[in-house]
Amino acid sequence: DAGITQSPRHKVTETGTPVTLRCHQTENHRYMYWYRQDPGHGLRLIHYSYGVKDTDKGEVSDGYSVSRSKTEDFLLTLESATSSQTSVYFCAISEGQELFYGYTFGSGTRLTVV
Amino acid sequence: GENVGLHLPTLSVQEGDNSIINCAYSNSASDYFIWYKQESGKGPQFIIDIRSNMDKRQGQRVTVLLNKTVKHLSLQIAATQPGDSAVYFCAERLTGGGNKLTFGTGTQLKVEL
Repeated sequence: DAGITQSPRHKVTETGTPVTLRCHQTENHRYMYWYRQDPGHGLRLIHYSYGVKDTDKGEVSDGYSVSRSKTEDFLLTLESATSSQTSVYFCAISEGQELFYGYTFGSGTRLTVV
Repeated sequence: GENVGLHLPTLSVQEGDNSIINCAYSNSASDYFIWYKQESGKGPQFIIDIRSNMDKRQGQRVTVLLNKTVKHLSLQIAATQPGDSAVYFCAERLTGGGNKLTFGTGTQLKVEL
């Protein structure tokens, strides 16, 4: 989607290795989010950020950490990947409270942990 | 693309017919609702939204209806086309909960020619 890119698009990694996924936006939106999508569960929030260096946990944050050192970048790190973290990961961005019109999503990263 | 529809409810419609996709949301304190469309291998895309002070909102070929009494949201697609085949998600934003959306599990729409 225009204005938001995720990298890599696909990754295969081994159990126990660290993995970092990157989300980059050019929209200067304040809010950024990481979701994972799994069959039968829909989209579930991992972590989100409401500004530079301001982050908070979502409903499935165990095993994940995030960092946001610049407005445009939001990184998701799996410190020690497990097979249960095989999923499709989506980054999303949004404006603030009064200007909220939902999220714009990236194209996703398919992560396979073997 | 990825198979995100293993256990999704499926709605099959004939091309040209109207489609109605339903969603039950969970929290009466939600103030904003949105429908997304997701095609295979892509991220969800915005279709239409509605705020809690409204009952109905129309877009191009799409209408969203909100029934707060029974916490029900529906998406109506007029004259369904093959390009409408996708998974459709509803989402809600809880008042005072920041800008976090909670998503439903989705409905697979299949358009038959």
